Amino acid sequence: NAGVTQTPKFQVLKTGQSMTLQCAQDMNHEYMSWYRQDPGMGLRLIHYSVGAGITDQGEVPNGYNVSRSTTEDFPLRLLSAAPSQTSVYFCASSYHWGYGYTFGSGTRLTVV
Amino acid sequence: KNEVEQSPQNLTAQEGEFITINCSYSVGISALHWLQQHPGGGIVSLFMLSSGKKKHGRLIATINIQEKHSSLHITASHPRDSAVYICAVGIQGAQKLVFGQGTRLTINP
Repeated sequence: NAGVTQTPKFQVLKTGQSMTLQCAQDMNHEYMSWYRQDPGMGLRLIHYSVGAGITDQGEVPNGYNVSRSTTEDFPLRLLSAAPSQTSVYFCASSYHWGYGYTFGSGTRLTVV
Repeated sequence: KNEVEQSPQNLTAQEGEFITINCSYSVGISALHWLQQHPGGGIVSLFMLSSGKKKHGRLIATINIQEKHSSLHITASHPRDSAVYICAVGIQGAQKLVFGQGTRLTINP
């Protein structure tokens, strides 16, 4: 099915470990973005990209890296996991940042 | 103060009731989005609007740009409407969305 595919759905990491959350879309969307969702808080933007080769920081970028080598893929890297990064992560894409968004199913990450 | 405020935070109603969820924002926007997050966690885009009113089935979204306010209405509510409804705004001059904290809606049979 067309849409945004996020993997993995669940992950447990130890403090200090690194990992990459994968996000892929097959809708030829130019805009892709990563968010984290924490209890009692709205979704917060981590990083975004307006096209291949172009990325920028969002509201809460510290501890995360991104790259956009292709239109389809936008991986999010945790460099050295910390308990404060325990959260649910969503990837989303859009034809243009101001248009309707398609969200992935989310990744529930626990850092112990 | 958050740039996007939703009210109420929680809403419980009986099946069949007319539901209103409100969203106020304090910044200039290019568009406002209403999203639905199901109990399983998935997020679906319901509406994007920059003026006036949009309707899809039993859902109606309105926006008043001058008052910086939007409402999401659900007519003839049903238990399957139980979800978290999220308001988000696209900020003028910035390529990003800012989200409200969400409204948790529970419809009892």
